This record gives sequence, C-alpha cells and structure tokens, in this order.
Amino acid sequence: GQNIDQPTEMTATEGAIVQINCTYQTSGFNGLFWYQQHAGEAPTFLSYNVLDGLEEKGRFSSFLSRSKGYSYLLLKELQMKDSASYLCAVRGYNTDKLIFGTGTRLQVFP
Amino acid sequence: EAQVTQNPRYLITVTGKKLTVTCSQNMNHEYMSWYRQDPGLGLRQIYYSMNVEVTDKGDVPEGYKVSRKEKRNFPLILESPSPNQTSLYFCASSPLDVGEQYFGPGTRLTVT
Repeated sequence: GQNIDQPTEMTATEGAIVQINCTYQTSGFNGLFWYQQHAGEAPTFLSYNVLDGLEEKGRFSSFLSRSKGYSYLLLKELQMKDSASYLCAVRGYNTDKLIFGTGTRLQVFP
Repeated sequence: EAQVTQNPRYLITVTGKKLTVTCSQNMNHEYMSWYRQDPGLGLRQIYYSMNVEVTDKGDVPEGYKVSRKEKRNFPLILESPSPNQTSLYFCASSPLDVGEQYFGPGTRLTVT
C-alpha cells in the first residue's frame, strides 16, 4: 500500500525556523514534492526532490532520504504570510499519479 | 496570463441531477488531473489525463467521468451526484514532469 504521514499542526514564531517532516511508504519512488496551500486557496508548488540531499530555494529548503522514506521542508526567517498548510506528495515509480499526505497546518505568531 | 480556470466556483445541487465542472488551461500542458479535497483526508486524485483521448483512474474515480477531447479542456462529469460527493474540487495541469502541477482556483460543490 501507499502511506504518507505528516504532523497535523505546528506553530512557530515570526523570524524563527521550522521543520515540517514527511515520511512515506510507497510502492516504488520517483520523486517527492512539497506544496503550500493558504486557507481557501489552491495549492502552489514549492519544491521537488528525486535524489537524496537538500534542495534550497530562498527561505525554503527541502531534504530527502530515500533509504529512510523521509523528507522535510525547512522554512527560515518565518513571516506571517507563511501561515498555511504544507502538503507532501509522492510519485511512485513508473506511474503518473501523485499521492498527497493530509497536510501540515502551520500557524506563525508574532 | 498563464492559468487554470474552473467553472463554476460554487455549486449547490440536488441528488441525481447531472452536472459538469469545466476545467481549462492555457499553458499547452499535456497532463491534467482532477482532485477532491476533504477535511482530514487531504487531496485525493479522481482522474488524470496524459494527453488528448488518454485518461486514467486515480484513487477515487467512482461516481465520476472525464473526457479529454482537446488539450486545453478536461471537464469533470457527475452523472448522478450523491451527498458523499460534496467536496472541494481542484483541477490541475502540468508540463512533462507531473509533479509540478498548477492548480485551478477550486470548485466547492454541495449535493443535498
């Protein structure tokens, strides 16, 4: 079967750093993706990892360990506008489907 | 402006009354997909299409139909809607890499 786990909710303070974890068990692996979704809006693409290691994009970084079935999204210098849900999604090998986790709702406080 | 559009944005209907939610993209993407989003369940894929006349079932296809007669359009059809299809629906499109998907604004459907 396929399963993706993320924490349901997290809180953090403006200016801080937060790490959102994602673990997965899938039949094969061909990439892991992070999306951001503000309340009442559509998801927007943040990052993509297919090889082990860290991908950095401005204040956001994403890490992947395929052997551990583990990824995290790191958000630095948090801003109030970062309050949103963060969705982890995995593509299995030789498939065109994306399986999404249930998302992590992040609240940033002043 | 590059975008994915959906219509209608909001719809309240009754059980059994056929409806269609349209989806259109102007980015010449090959891949298009429909998702539903429910509290506690996340985004679940209904159907997807890799190109014109090519469609495949996602994880929750029961009660839905799709068609892909043109590259830009991918309508979602509910032949006989039921209350358990009350949900928030998103259409998405993607170029060759199906991971980086561009989502439409969503359609909130209520079936009474």
